[in-house]
Amino acid sequence: IAGITQAPTSQILAAGRRMTLRCTQDMRHNAMYWYRQDLGLGLRLIHYSNTAGTTGKGEVPDGYSVSRANTDDFPLTLASAVPSQTSVYFCASSDSGSSNEQFFGPGTRLTVL
Amino acid sequence: GQNIDQPTEMTATEGAIVQINCTYQTSGFNGLFWYQQHAGEAPTFLSYNVLDGLEEKGRFSSFLSRSKGYSYLLLKELQMKDSASYLCAVVDSNYQLIWGAGTKLIIKP
Repeated sequence: IAGITQAPTSQILAAGRRMTLRCTQDMRHNAMYWYRQDLGLGLRLIHYSNTAGTTGKGEVPDGYSVSRANTDDFPLTLASAVPSQTSVYFCASSDSGSSNEQFFGPGTRLTVL
Repeated sequence: GQNIDQPTEMTATEGAIVQINCTYQTSGFNGLFWYQQHAGEAPTFLSYNVLDGLEEKGRFSSFLSRSKGYSYLLLKELQMKDSASYLCAVVDSNYQLIWGAGTKLIIKP
C-alpha cells in the first residue's frame, strides 16, 4: 500500500531517555519532513531533507537529530528527552518543488514524563 | 517575524456555507496551501493557490489575494463529516511551509 508510515503510534518515555521515531515512505519522494503539533500552535518544522544524504534544520531543531541514509527512511532521534518534547509528531514527504503537496504519516503521540 | 492568522473556531449548520479566512505576513510568498485535519488524524491536502483568484474543487473553493496577504477557504453544502480543523500554510522565500494554528470547524445539524 503506497503511503507513509510512522512507528510507534504512541509512546510514554521517561525524561533523559533516548528515543527514535521511525518514518518510512514508499512513494519515492525526494523531500521528507518532521513536524511537531502542539495544542493551539501550528505545525512546526523540526528538520527536513530535500534528498537522500542531506538534511536541514527547521524552526525548532534543538534536542532533535535526523538522518537520511536512503530515499525511504527518515528517523527522528531525541537524544535525551525532556517534558517539553511531549507532542504529536508527524512525518511528511513530497516531490521536490514548493507547489507539491505534502503527504503526512499518521503521527506519533509522545509523552515525556 | 512570520505570522499566519486564522480564527480559532467556527460553527456552522449542516447544508450551509462557511468561509474560513487566513491572513499572512511572511518573508516572501511562493504559494498557499489549505489542509483538512480530522481530530486525531493527519492533515490531508485540500488546495493550493499561487496566483490571485478563486480555485474551485467540488464543494470546496479557495481564494487568494497576494496584495492583501489574504486567503479564504469556502465550504458549500456543509456535511457533518466536514467537522475538522482547517490549516492554512504559506510557502515562504526559503520554500519552507509556515503553518497557521488552524481553524476548528464545528458543524451542527
